[in-house]
Amino acid sequence: EAGVAQSPRYKIIEKRQSVAFWCNPISGHATLYWYQQILGQGPKLLIQFQNNGVVDDSQLPKDRFSAERLKGVDSTLKIQPAKLEDSAVYLCASSARGGDYNEQFFGPGTRLTVL
Amino acid sequence: RKEVEQDPGPFNVPEGATVAFNCTYSNSASQSFFWYRQDCRKEPKLLMSVYSSGNEDGRFTAQLNRASQYISLLIRDSKLSDSATYLCVVTGDYGQNFVFGPGTRLSVLP
Repeated sequence: EAGVAQSPRYKIIEKRQSVAFWCNPISGHATLYWYQQILGQGPKLLIQFQNNGVVDDSQLPKDRFSAERLKGVDSTLKIQPAKLEDSAVYLCASSARGGDYNEQFFGPGTRLTVL
Repeated sequence: RKEVEQDPGPFNVPEGATVAFNCTYSNSASQSFFWYRQDCRKEPKLLMSVYSSGNEDGRFTAQLNRASQYISLLIRDSKLSDSATYLCVVTGDYGQNFVFGPGTRLSVLP
């Protein structure tokens, strides 16, 4: 079974530029998550989708971050404009469903460096 | 107070040792609890869910104390391959509001 795919794996940009990340979840997984993991910290949930609807985006900095999941499959996360503090690994995860038992399967992440 | 706190680590232990990690959470309404493992520069992977009655998977034992809002992970007979960061995860209602702790790094030494 193919895992969660993410691209690109690495991205280096200058502050104030825009960047987009792509995620393809495990086939059939209804729930998709985007996390930000800063070096030395645990992942922080940015947004959670159930199919193509947003379940939780309370920690998404909406002035600069946006995410969509058209057709309930692939998802993109965009940062516009980027700041130095956005340097982090952006992890996408998926699970079969929301609810009490919901093992999340993570992709390899996109490592973003903002100069 | 942070939502989820863990032992700061790192823990450096010899092979064969028993090591325990602690995690506390602030939201008394939290519903589900997990331990994830993250190898260096890799993605997190589920190690085990944590049930109210406690649960064991081979050398790993997880305990939950709802009254004290406390979760623990015990690793017996440590192996070199257990070296990783261990992340405590707490969720709210209906599988929402996932909060990861900062992680505790374990190094098992030969």
